[in-house]
Parts: sequence; structure tokens; C-alpha cells
Amino acid sequence: EVRLVESGGGLVQPGRSLRLSCAASGFTFDNFAMHWVRQVSGKGLEWVSGISWNSGGIDYADSVKGRFTISRDNAKNSLYLQMNSLRPEDTALYYCVKDRYKGRQLDAFNIWGQGTLVTVSS
Amino acid sequence: DIQMTQSPSTLSASVGDRVTITCRASQSLRSWLAWYQQKPGKAPKLLIYKASNLEDGVPSRFSASGSGTEFTLTITSLQPDDFATYYCQQYESYPVTFGQGTKVETK
Repeated sequence: EVRLVESGGGLVQPGRSLRLSCAASGFTFDNFAMHWVRQVSGKGLEWVSGISWNSGGIDYADSVKGRFTISRDNAKNSLYLQMNSLRPEDTALYYCVKDRYKGRQLDAFNIWGQGTLVTVSS
Repeated sequence: DIQMTQSPSTLSASVGDRVTITCRASQSLRSWLAWYQQKPGKAPKLLIYKASNLEDGVPSRFSASGSGTEFTLTITSLQPDDFATYYCQQYESYPVTFGQGTKVETK
């Protein structure tokens, strides 16, 4: 079974840091680009960051550029998001997401984790 | 950035209705557009990729069309399980962007 399991969310004060992890299973992890997508409660979806299969290509939304860092460890089938200088507006459910097709730099998202909740508040 | 605009934002419909949702892009996506369904408390689910291709396991009452800047998602006969929020997404280029969502609710 193809599965993505996020962890690392929690309550954090503004300005502090948090590191999210995503454990992948059931597919050849190092064949696919991966992403983080977030969703504020009751609102729409916002793409946060993406990383190519070999970490050679990385992109960020403007809203997190310079504060968040995406990385992956293909040996551990894991994706990460280091979040620094957190702001209240970063409060959201963060999803780990897999590209559907390995042959393109960017593709539709066919597998989603259940999400991990990040709350930034004093 | 490519802006995605969905319409309507909310759609009231009954079981058995034909439902159509529209998504417009601020620039050409060619066919790099996906549709997702999200139910409360659940992660989004991929329905359609590359504008008109049905993802495995998705019922055939879902269909989609379009290219360039205008796309549609159609549910031919709405079922009780289809009441949800639907999002379009462009993956023509970074940053990936989503439409604001269309909530399909019971009339």
C-alpha cells in the first residue's frame, strides 16, 4: 500500500522553528518528486514547496521563501520541511504529497498524507 | 504566478443532477491541469490529471475537458458520495497554484 505519514507538527511560538517529517512507503521513493501543501482550517489549498527526486530541483512559495527549507533522504524514504521564523499565518495542516508521474519535473499529486497540524501562537 | 479561478464557489445540487465546475487560468496551461475532491477532515483525492484523464478507481460519472486557459469538471449524475469541495490545480509551472475551491452542497 502506498502511504505517506507526516509527523512533527505542534504548537510553537512565533519566531521559533519546527521540523516536519514525512515517511513514505509502498513505492520507489527516489523515483518521484515530492511536495508540501498546506491548508488553513476551512480554507483552500496552498502549495508550499517541492523537491525533485534527486534534490537537484527545489522551489518554494513566495510566502515561505527564505524561512522554510525542504529536503529529502532517499535512503530513509523520508521528506522533511524545516520551518524557521514561524509566523501566525503559517498555522495550517501540512500535507506531504507525491507526484503522480516520475518522468516530468512537476506532475499532478496522486498520493497525500493525512497531514500534520502546525499552530503558531504565543 | 499563474492565477486559477474557479466558478462557482458554491453549487447547490440534488442527487442525479448533472454538475459542471469551471476553472480558468491566467495563462496557458496546455493540458497540465488536475482536479481534486476533498471531503471534510480528509486529504484531497486526485480525480483527473492532464486535463481529462481519469485517475484509477475514480467513477466514470466524473469527466473533464479543456486546454489552454479554460477547463471544466463534470459529474454526470451526482451521487450522495460526491458532495464535497473540488479544487483545480495547475502544474504547468512553479509555483503550483490551486483554484479557491467549489463546494458542492445539497440543494
